[in-house]
Amino acid sequence: SAVISQKPSRDICQRGTSLTIQCQVDSQVTMMFWYRQQPGQSLTLIATANQGSEATYESGFVIDKFPISRPNLTFSTLTVSNMSPEDSSIYLCSVIQGANRDNEQFFGPGTRLTVL
Amino acid sequence: AQKITQTQPGMFVQEKEAVTLDCTYDTSDPSYGLFWYKQPSSGEMIFLIYQGSYDQQNATEGRYSLNFQKARKSANLVISASQLGDSAMYFCAMRGVNDYKLSFGAGTTVTVRA
Repeated sequence: SAVISQKPSRDICQRGTSLTIQCQVDSQVTMMFWYRQQPGQSLTLIATANQGSEATYESGFVIDKFPISRPNLTFSTLTVSNMSPEDSSIYLCSVIQGANRDNEQFFGPGTRLTVL
Repeated sequence: AQKITQTQPGMFVQEKEAVTLDCTYDTSDPSYGLFWYKQPSSGEMIFLIYQGSYDQQNATEGRYSLNFQKARKSANLVISASQLGDSAMYFCAMRGVNDYKLSFGAGTTVTVRA
């Protein structure tokens, strides 16, 4: 299975600032995703990170608030812009290796964000 | 659209006993995959087990087994010989054949008692 790392692992930020989260995989992967988990909630897909092109966002998430980059097959970043306390969540990077839709999907360790 | 339902918000189990976590789903996709993940208090999501909708046999991975009943649209996770380290939140998730998006249930918190 792919080994996924995320930086930072946690952060405490001030309202109105932005934070960029990095996701690094130890091998090339087909698909990369960003999920959000608000306190006490399940996971919600923010967007699919597409290599070399704009990410595909889910309903309720927009590029201006959550810009995403994926310059290659092993790396992606998610920026949480103009943060408010409602953005306090765990943000998780997720990957699928291979093109088979039956392939397992793995998650990074998450970034625990607190916005004051 | 896909929907995952986990009706047990929390469960207690005695160490060394087995526990079954319920998961039902709804989908119009003819082919799909079902996943179970464990999330300890640290927040990481740990992949446990996968079941394809056309797999003939129930999936097993060590102490984890998936009781897949396709006609009833259920995919219950069985953890045998529970250990204190099994205390965590458990999520059932599903992915359809038409896209790569995982849909998650609300999760079940398992607490293992010594």
